Amino acid sequence: GESVGLHLPTLSVQEGDNSIINCAYSNSASDYFIWYKQESGKGPQFIIDIRSNMDKRQGQRVTVLLNKTVKHLSLQIAATQPGDSAVYFCAENGSNYKLTFGKGTLLTVNP
Amino acid sequence: DTAVSQTPKYLVTQMGNDKSIKCEQNLGHDTMYWYKQDSKKFLKIMFSYNNKELIINETVPNRFSPKSPDKAHLNLHINSLELGDSAVYFCASSYGTPGNTGELFFGEGSRLTVL
Repeated sequence: GESVGLHLPTLSVQEGDNSIINCAYSNSASDYFIWYKQESGKGPQFIIDIRSNMDKRQGQRVTVLLNKTVKHLSLQIAATQPGDSAVYFCAENGSNYKLTFGKGTLLTVNP
Repeated sequence: DTAVSQTPKYLVTQMGNDKSIKCEQNLGHDTMYWYKQDSKKFLKIMFSYNNKELIINETVPNRFSPKSPDKAHLNLHINSLELGDSAVYFCASSYGTPGNTGELFFGEGSRLTVL
């Protein structure tokens, strides 16, 4: 499968369960964060973003939580579906004015 | 109606060759980027252009030369290809300067394999 040799953090869930994907960021000056979803053979797609003056933001079936104290970001996906299977990246916009991507987490949804 | 389009999607070539990847966006964005994704899926920025001006150049070997003929196009030319250049190269665009990056829209990627 695609995960062989990748050594990405992986999360395997059952269809219908909730998923939580975590991300630690490095730059305490970062003021903007984005979650991206990358399906096999495609480019990353925007899911949801959050600014540093917020600690929670909700979208459709997704919620992003930001904890600036411990520099932690999480993405919660409600009622996970097979179409949610992908690699998920967090990204931060730090002081160098560029979007820096985290390592990525492979989410596999079992039917 | 593709937003960010890259060509070619696949490129297989020999070491030492020179190749180019083209990118076009029809979103009216003024900032464009090249990212490299390695075999471990790590995405790293290479270059960023804002209104045809180079804004970010991330210690990429000078064998890599970006060119932006206008703000809708950003091409990447690679000289003297090496095995380690094998990767997927993503073009992206955004509205605004890198200081207010906002959401990046990515192309589908160009998979380069150097033999």
